[in-house]
Amino acid sequence: DAGITQSPRHKVTETGTPVTLRCHQTENHRYMYWYRQDPGHGLRLIHYSYGVKDTDKGEVSDGYSVSRSKTEDFLLTLESATSSQTSVYFCAINSGPQETQYFGPGTRLLVL
Amino acid sequence: ELKVEQNPLFLSMQEGKNYTIYCNYSTTSDRLYWYRQDPGKSLESLFVLLSNGAVKQEGRLMASLDTKARLSTLHITAAVHDLSATYFCAVGYNNNDMRFGAGTRLTVKP
Repeated sequence: DAGITQSPRHKVTETGTPVTLRCHQTENHRYMYWYRQDPGHGLRLIHYSYGVKDTDKGEVSDGYSVSRSKTEDFLLTLESATSSQTSVYFCAINSGPQETQYFGPGTRLLVL
Repeated sequence: ELKVEQNPLFLSMQEGKNYTIYCNYSTTSDRLYWYRQDPGKSLESLFVLLSNGAVKQEGRLMASLDTKARLSTLHITAAVHDLSATYFCAVGYNNNDMRFGAGTRLTVKP
């Protein structure tokens, strides 16, 4: 257990509605990441953060925004959810680029 | 752009047998990771490989890295049912990005 929680763990929403997923860590790690996992694609990086208010885009950032106002929290927002954003979302943390990333339990999102 | 290819994508093996999973990547990288994922669960870190020729072993699993060939292998020795899971390699890209392979779903049968 790397001290990472995600909320909610499951969510069903409708197309066009905004959705925010939360990642919370208790170990003061500098780096936090949001991934999505889809069959046949492994995990793909959406956005990451390297400090409070410091964020950058990953491989599949279109349609997503993030915010990090506190070290312990990293929020992922889908401004207007689409069915293609149905996925399992994982948050991860680490202390530096060459360090192992530790993953949260995941959030299953279904967009109808 | 970095591409990561794992093979095989599906592997069914008998208990007691040996097998190797391969992870090829397309551009230079200074770090490679192996993870395990059980169905419906999160990812568990297995190995971090940071230099050419690095070899790490844990139980029946051994991972190696050849940066010149851009190849990592995950070798399974005398497989047991508890090793059934999906295994992912992930390759470091730029400073903070990490690109995953599609995963190898391993089933170990008695």
